[in-house]
Amino acid sequence: AQKVTQAQTEISVVEKEDVTLDCVYETRDTTYYLFWYKQPPSGELVFLIRRNSFDEQNEISGRYSWNFQKSTSSFNFTITASQVVDSAVYFCALKPLTQGGSEKLVFGKGTKLTVNP
Amino acid sequence: DGGITQSPKYLFRKEGQNVTLSCEQNLNHDAMYWYRQDPGQGLRLIYYSQIVNDFQKGDIAEGYSVSREKKESFPLTVTSAQKNPTAFYLCASSTYNNEQFFGPGTRLTVL
Repeated sequence: AQKVTQAQTEISVVEKEDVTLDCVYETRDTTYYLFWYKQPPSGELVFLIRRNSFDEQNEISGRYSWNFQKSTSSFNFTITASQVVDSAVYFCALKPLTQGGSEKLVFGKGTKLTVNP
Repeated sequence: DGGITQSPKYLFRKEGQNVTLSCEQNLNHDAMYWYRQDPGQGLRLIYYSQIVNDFQKGDIAEGYSVSREKKESFPLTVTSAQKNPTAFYLCASSTYNNEQFFGPGTRLTVL
């Protein structure tokens, strides 16, 4: 069975603080993809990153960074020097790479981030 | 430019009516999906289609129906059998083994 857990339901920070959003996943598959999406108040989900289970290198994109640790089944997302525009709901998702398998994503329940000025 | 469009943005339905939500993509993606999102909740998969003329039930398919007659289009019908249809509906598409791209969503309210 596949499962994604985002234990933090809501986080509130003050602008310029760093914030880490946690994501823990469960899967029996040895190969899989992990994703992060951002859902601003407008509602549309915006794709942020895809990570292959073969690649445990951390990734940095501007103020965003991702820490993938297979040993703890975690794929955490850090925003450095947060800004008000970062306020959104963030979803972590998992997709097993089973040959001939479906394209279904398994989503976590999301973490609502509020960045206050 | 390429993307996914959903219409209408807001939809109001009387109890007992069927309504159809439109989803169109010009990204040449094979797979398309419908999700339901309730306030403060994550996304739940209703139906998905990996190829034209074929679709599979997701986790909450009861009370919904879909068709996939064209690669670009994946309309969702919310039938009167769906007892609690008020929600935000998101359509997505993807190529094989890649990220899903989402449309702007339709907010359905039952009056």
